[in-house]
Amino acid sequence: LAKTTQPISMDSYEGQEVNITCSHNNIATNDYITWYQQFPSQGPRFIIQGYKTKVTNEVASLFIPADRKSSTLSLPRVSLSDTAVYYCLVGARSNDYKLSFGAGTTVTVRA
Amino acid sequence: EPEVTQTPSHQVTQMGQEVILRCVPISNHLYFYWYRQILGQKVEFLVSFYNNEISEKSEIFDDQFSVERPDGSNFTLKIRSTKLEDSAMYFCASSEREANSNYEQYFGPGTRLTVT
Repeated sequence: LAKTTQPISMDSYEGQEVNITCSHNNIATNDYITWYQQFPSQGPRFIIQGYKTKVTNEVASLFIPADRKSSTLSLPRVSLSDTAVYYCLVGARSNDYKLSFGAGTTVTVRA
Repeated sequence: EPEVTQTPSHQVTQMGQEVILRCVPISNHLYFYWYRQILGQKVEFLVSFYNNEISEKSEIFDDQFSVERPDGSNFTLKIRSTKLEDSAMYFCASSEREANSNYEQYFGPGTRLTVT
């Protein structure tokens, strides 16, 4: 599994855009980049997944440069309810594979 | 939207006692998982389960742990003789076989296990 590095914490204010960068220098050819979100006392929740370039859904955007050695999760116009831990995971896509969570990035949104 | 459910939400037990944590995965999912998260620490994989057998297990999942799918809906985690260090939040997750191209795992709300 590719090792990932992301900031431990980030602070933001309501309405701002939050960008979390994850480094994964040893990403393999068949690895995908997946982000999960976890609110306090809840299970992780899938946010977005990508392989290269840009992926956007109703929650976030994921930017992946051509070398794929890093990725950036972008949360547009955050609100207080976006306060959570965000995890970057890198691995091959398949059923029946374990998710390896790191410490994640704690994003705190203030009013 | 379908969701994974877990019961109980909180279980308190004495050291050495057996506990069974229950999960109802999403109905058309075929892959099931247990993870745990000790307070303030990261989410750790315990075991994956498919076709009525364990697919993979971590070092944490020793002989004190077992999983079972006793019927078509429930998925259970049993800890035979609990230890203080088993105190954690236990999350059940499930995923579809093929339809979900993201191979997304859906997590339940967790069961907080407190061993005294």
